Amino acid sequence: AQTVTQSQPEMSVQEAETVTLSCTYDTSENNYYLFWYKQPPSRQMILVIRQEAYKQQNATENRFSVNFQKAAKSFSLKISDSQLGDTAMYFCASTDYNTDKLIFGTGTRLQVFP
Amino acid sequence: NAGVTQTPKFQVLKTGQSMTLQCAQDMNHEYMSWYRQDPGMGLRLIHYSVGAGITDQGEVPNGYNVSRSTTEDFPLRLLSAAPSQTSVYFCASSRSTGELFFGEGSRLTVL
Repeated sequence: AQTVTQSQPEMSVQEAETVTLSCTYDTSENNYYLFWYKQPPSRQMILVIRQEAYKQQNATENRFSVNFQKAAKSFSLKISDSQLGDTAMYFCASTDYNTDKLIFGTGTRLQVFP
Repeated sequence: NAGVTQTPKFQVLKTGQSMTLQCAQDMNHEYMSWYRQDPGMGLRLIHYSVGAGITDQGEVPNGYNVSRSTTEDFPLRLLSAAPSQTSVYFCASSRSTGELFFGEGSRLTVL
């Protein structure tokens, strides 16, 4: 069974600084997707970034990038130039190609301070 | 673009009452799922469906029923609500790329 672990319940960062959120996962599949979702106080789930396991290049979306280490089953999220609007819960998630069944970690609450 | 629509957004029930959370999507996605979100536990998969007429259990299915008679709709039924089912519920759908599109969530309180 897939599992996703986020070991940092809470993180904080000052505005304009860089922060890295950790995520590890376990799967027996060779082909799978990894995601980071953001949940601001509005409760809406917003996709931040996506990584396909067969791609060695780390995904990047503007200020958000990942460090994908397939052998170590690690998938961390780096937020550069943090903004107040980045304050949210961040969830790491994984799914395999065959089922679309997305399994989430327990989340990291990120607070960005001015 | 409606996307994924959940109703109701808020509901208060008494223990033992039944109710249905409605979910509809207009993106013609085959895959739909229901999650519950509880503090410190992230989102946990309740039930999912890979197409009309096909449903399966997720991580925490007990106390919940689902059906999928059409591609668009995937209701979640609580037959006899319990206080342990107090939670925020999310419906989601996806295309084959695995990316989920979420509804806005439904907050359920069981007294």
